[in-house]
Amino acid sequence: QVQLQESGPGLVKPSGTLSLTCAVSGDSVSGSKWWTWVRQPPGKGLEWIGEVYHNGNTNYKSSLRGRVTISVDKPNNQFSLRLSSVTAADTAVYYCVTGAVTTQYWGQGTLVTVSS
Amino acid sequence: DIQMTQSPSSLSASVGDIVTITCRASQDVKNDLDWYQHEPGKAPRRLIYAASTLQSGVPSRFSGSGSGTEFTLTINNLRPEDFATYYCLQYLSYPRTFGQGTKLEIK
Repeated sequence: QVQLQESGPGLVKPSGTLSLTCAVSGDSVSGSKWWTWVRQPPGKGLEWIGEVYHNGNTNYKSSLRGRVTISVDKPNNQFSLRLSSVTAADTAVYYCVTGAVTTQYWGQGTLVTVSS
Repeated sequence: DIQMTQSPSSLSASVGDIVTITCRASQDVKNDLDWYQHEPGKAPRRLIYAASTLQSGVPSRFSGSGSGTEFTLTINNLRPEDFATYYCLQYLSYPRTFGQGTKLEIK
């Protein structure tokens, strides 16, 4: 059974950088699949942030391009999200996600608050 | 970017009812569409992929249909555990985009 676990600071200062890691068990980030981040701001809907393939190829939400980086860490079997120049609008529950055509797995989510 | 528009944004229904949620895409997404259920405090759960294929383990009272630009999620015989927010997601092209959500509440 694949399990994903997000970790990282729960509080980030405005203009700072949000950094989250998703630890993967039961699967390998070196495998041929996409590793994805999704977020949900308080009181709002789900928002697709972006994803990374095992070979490092990435795709990002248009409005975040330039601030967002998603990467894989093969030695530690995890993948990460970095979002720079954060504002209060980046406050959200962040989820990591993976899967194939017929299966999908989500982390439980982690709340990141942007505040001074 | 492809825009996904769900309707209604919210609806009230009773246990045992049949409900239908619609998702419209701003351009053809073929059948590259998922439906998700999201309960507060939990991770979203995929119900349907490829527009009409039921995810393993999801009750058969959930069904999806449509292709191109118009899709529907139907829930038959509503159960108390079905009251949640539902989202569609297109994955034909990047960036992937969610609908704004439909909140299903108990009448």
